[in-house]
Amino acid sequence: DVKVTQSSRYLVKRTGEKVFLECVQDMDHENMFWYRQDPGLGLRLIYFSYDVKMKEKGDIPEGYSVSREKKERFSLILESASTNQTSMYLCASSFITEDTQYFGPGTRLTVL
Amino acid sequence: QKEVEQNSGPLSVPEGAIASLNCTYSDRGSQSFFWYRQYSGKSPELIMSIYSNGDKEDGRFTAQLNKASQYVSLLIRDSQPSDSATYLCATVATDKLIFGTGTRLQVFP
Repeated sequence: DVKVTQSSRYLVKRTGEKVFLECVQDMDHENMFWYRQDPGLGLRLIYFSYDVKMKEKGDIPEGYSVSREKKERFSLILESASTNQTSMYLCASSFITEDTQYFGPGTRLTVL
Repeated sequence: QKEVEQNSGPLSVPEGAIASLNCTYSDRGSQSFFWYRQYSGKSPELIMSIYSNGDKEDGRFTAQLNKASQYVSLLIRDSQPSDSATYLCATVATDKLIFGTGTRLQVFP
């Protein structure tokens, strides 16, 4: 079974803090993705990566950056957290672009 | 126009009935389609994928694809209260998976 894990289920941070969200997959997938999910807005793609050290902007990259130093690990970074970044963050991975994406359990981030 | 559209619901059906969830998409070139189920507070999990026109059955679930009408649906037979969740439709477009906003299904006893 594919397993995607995320470092925290719940996280509370203060405005202006630097926040790291970690995602690890164990299926040797090439592609990894970061989404945020908000009520009424659905899943929105923040960043994705097709390979190690490679990243592509998604639909809402502003205020975020990512890092992929190893194939199995994809990190999302909030350089200076703001209250409008309070959301559920979901990591996913897939073998190829046209293939199924498998999601981690999610991190519910609250920025005060 | 949104790339993937779903009625947000809620769709309420009695236990044992057939639930029909619908999705339309705008990219005629889309080839891969996915249905995910998401329970409240949890992450999406894949139910079915479909790539060819017609029906694909898996247990109580049937996915239907009509590329000419740009329409994909999910039928859930013998609906159970445990099927109550939000169902997300997704397709691949411009090398990314595009999700609809989901339809909330409520199955009442």
